[in-house]
Amino acid sequence: AQSVTQLGSHVSVSEGALVLLRCNYSSSVPPYLFWYVQYPNQGLQLLLKYTSAATLVKGINGFEAEFKKSETSFHLTKPSAHMSDAAEYFCAVSPNNNDMRFGAGTRLTVKP
Amino acid sequence: EAEVAQSPRYKITEKSQAVAFWCDPISGHATLYWYRQILGQGPELLVQFQDESVVDDSQLPKDRFSAERLKGVDSTLKIQPAELGDSAMYLCASSFQTSQGGETQYFGPGTRLLVL
Repeated sequence: AQSVTQLGSHVSVSEGALVLLRCNYSSSVPPYLFWYVQYPNQGLQLLLKYTSAATLVKGINGFEAEFKKSETSFHLTKPSAHMSDAAEYFCAVSPNNNDMRFGAGTRLTVKP
Repeated sequence: EAEVAQSPRYKITEKSQAVAFWCDPISGHATLYWYRQILGQGPELLVQFQDESVVDDSQLPKDRFSAERLKGVDSTLKIQPAELGDSAMYLCASSFQTSQGGETQYFGPGTRLLVL
């Protein structure tokens, strides 16, 4: 069965600081991995996805994630946080049948 | 840019009442998903359609929930009777195809349900 674990339900950073949101996955087959962002009372917006083409994936809004098979990780990073990055972030894993499993989410707070 | 449409955005109902949510996927997207997202948690799949057919409804509480996509385009999710524990955000998503997997799912804004 496929699953993801997001380490840290809340992360707080200062504006301009590095953002690191952790995600570890479990999958019996080579996975597709996704990061979504959700702003209050809105749906989920795709930030980026990993499809085995490249281990370092660049997404929107300056975010990127690196697939590390040896660590079964797909952590999300951004070099410099902006106030507008404050939101809930979800990591998700999908095997080859589009059955997507989401993590519990990490709430990112950005302090001025 | 095409978007997934959902209505209503917010719904307040009393327990034991019936509620219905509507979703219109992105044009041309054959696969449609309904998710339930409880506050503070990630979305959980309720039902997945491929065109008008149900692909996966294993997590749908069939005693009170029903979903249909009669013409393979828009879809309706119904709860009857609603219970207090049904209070959540109901998200609809669509994707282009399902044959190879890994397709990006595009989400609508959701319907937030409050059952009193």
